[in-house]
Amino acid sequence: EPEVTQTPSHQVTQMGQEVILRCVPISNHLYFYWYRQILGQKVEFLVSFYNNEISEKSEIFDDQFSVERPDGSNFTLKIRSTKLEDSAMYFCASSTRGVWDSTGNTIYFGEGSWLTVV
Amino acid sequence: RKEVEQDPGPFNVPEGATVAFNCTYSNSASQSFFWYRQDCRKEPKLLMSVYSSGNEDGRFTAQLNRASQYISLLIRDSKLSDSATYLCVAAHYGGSQGNLIFGKGTKLSVKP
Repeated sequence: EPEVTQTPSHQVTQMGQEVILRCVPISNHLYFYWYRQILGQKVEFLVSFYNNEISEKSEIFDDQFSVERPDGSNFTLKIRSTKLEDSAMYFCASSTRGVWDSTGNTIYFGEGSWLTVV
Repeated sequence: RKEVEQDPGPFNVPEGATVAFNCTYSNSASQSFFWYRQDCRKEPKLLMSVYSSGNEDGRFTAQLNRASQYISLLIRDSKLSDSATYLCVAAHYGGSQGNLIFGKGTKLSVKP
């Protein structure tokens, strides 16, 4: 089965440091997403990306966050200056079509990157 | 406010039991719905999409009631391997794309 891969699986960083989380979406997918899940909380949408630009972003995705697709395979999430409350599991996801198209569409999630800010 | 609400759980059931999860959504404009399964500290995995007519996949049956903005998941003949957190998800369409709105999840524990 195709899979979304994420690195690192776990990162510990000091408050104020920059963090880059990396993702390799499934190769023929066109839509990319970042979600996060704070321990014990629900999965929350951060941002969606299509055609080399942000399609939609949530209130969480403020100026400290940015995404990039630097080449044909990687999709990165950068947190410029981490805060304690950024500690969470960050999931990358990808799909062949947008979420409005549920017909045979599956959004695949990576295994996540666990970020701990100390 | 776009929200998906679920039974808080946890549900502790014996093997072979039938268990039902309920979910309500607040955004009447949501068009697509899903049940995801999440194991502890793992990624969400799609269990099944939910269609207006209801749909079944083996031991799993999902129902959607748009009038009541209500979604359900029924698991028959529970297995130990069904133990997980079940996430109710609505697709919200905004801007040019849309995103998934997750419920907090209902934890299921199936005991021998």
